[in-house]
Amino acid sequence: SQKIEQNSEALNIQEGKTATLTCNYTNYSPAYLQWYRQDPGRGPVFLLLIRENEKEKRKERLKVTFDTTLKQSLFHITASQPADSATYLCALGGAGNMLTFGGGTRLMVKP
Amino acid sequence: DAGVIQSPRHEVTEMGQEVTLRCKPISGHNSLFWYRQTMMRGLELLIYFNNNVPIDDSGMPEDRFSAKMPNASFSTLKIQPSEPRDSAVYFCASSPGEEGYTFGSGTRLTVV
Repeated sequence: SQKIEQNSEALNIQEGKTATLTCNYTNYSPAYLQWYRQDPGRGPVFLLLIRENEKEKRKERLKVTFDTTLKQSLFHITASQPADSATYLCALGGAGNMLTFGGGTRLMVKP
Repeated sequence: DAGVIQSPRHEVTEMGQEVTLRCKPISGHNSLFWYRQTMMRGLELLIYFNNNVPIDDSGMPEDRFSAKMPNASFSTLKIQPSEPRDSAVYFCASSPGEEGYTFGSGTRLTVV
């Protein structure tokens, strides 16, 4: 069955460092992959979309890579700030614009 | 744009009662999705509509759940009768196509 794995343990890093979050998947051939940020008590907020024929996408301090051979996406936040603390969700897109979400990884950036 | 609007924000109801959750998508978005989020199972897709037509409802857990989209600006998710295991946060999201979703703030449902 399809499976999306994100590290369920919280990632704690120091302010200014680069945070790297991992999304692995099995039994899936997504046409694209998206990353979302979710704060407590709020809905997920869309950050980036990367398609299967793209290796890397950047937006300000964010960078996403997509390796369809390894079936893995990496999400980087450079020069991290305490305001970046949140849960980050990856989502795989397929036919009909349906998204399947991973369980999310909680990021804590300490000052 | 006010974004995706969901109501109510919180709902507490007794087991066996009917619950109706409401959603107003962003104007111009042709896809609408209902998700349920719990600590144990994360975000699960319940049903999605494209141009007001239900496309995939395989995520709807039981016949107690039903969803409608009578027009492009309104959708409902109904649970009848409700059970304690339905307690979760229900999100509505809309999208203009193969792009990012815009989620509402969610409805936190508690069934006692």
